[in-house]
Amino acid sequence: GAGVSQSPSNKVTEKGKDVELRCDPISGHTALYWYRQSLGQGLEFLIYFQGNSAPDKSGLPSDRFSAERTGGSVSTLTIQRTQQEDSAVYLCASSSIDTQYFGPGTRLTVL
Amino acid sequence: QKEVEQNSGPLSVPEGAIASLNCTYSDRGSQSFFWYRQYSGKSPELIMSIYSNGDKEDGRFTAQLNKASQYVSLLIRDSQPSDSATYLCAVNPLRGNTPLVFGKGTRLSVIA
Repeated sequence: GAGVSQSPSNKVTEKGKDVELRCDPISGHTALYWYRQSLGQGLEFLIYFQGNSAPDKSGLPSDRFSAERTGGSVSTLTIQRTQQEDSAVYLCASSSIDTQYFGPGTRLTVL
Repeated sequence: QKEVEQNSGPLSVPEGAIASLNCTYSDRGSQSFFWYRQYSGKSPELIMSIYSNGDKEDGRFTAQLNKASQYVSLLIRDSQPSDSATYLCAVNPLRGNTPLVFGKGTRLSVIA
């Protein structure tokens, strides 16, 4: 079946602009996760959803970051007033039990 | 602070050799363990999961878990140049759908 999809694949924006990143999980997967990976670095956990609820938002770097999930499916990660340090690959994963499968990621570049 | 430690490498092995990748974790209560492969510019791809002490084999890959030593490893037999990638160890400190804790990865280079 279809895997996790993310859009856009690449996003270039100017400092101070808002961006929205979308994740479409594997059908039937109840949990959805957002991670961030900066160049040459490991994966940094941001937030995860169980259904439409976010039990753990502890990884969000600042209040400029927010995320929502509707209908237990698609999730949107929003970054307001982007800064250059937000430049990274944003990865989404989904799972049905505990095994996480990743999407292709969105590469965000803030100029 | 839950941590997963990996040697960053690069680990260089000749084609056909066995590559051994190692990982230690800090949370003794961790429940499940995963190895992901990440090619440059791509997202992580699941290779293996392991839940019980001992070995688990899947083709050329063998995952080994020792909970007493808080140690998990991945062996790649008959290494191929196409195995050259960064290998991420990930640990689930709880049961079920909860965020994984990732190591920073070991870069493997298989030399033809």
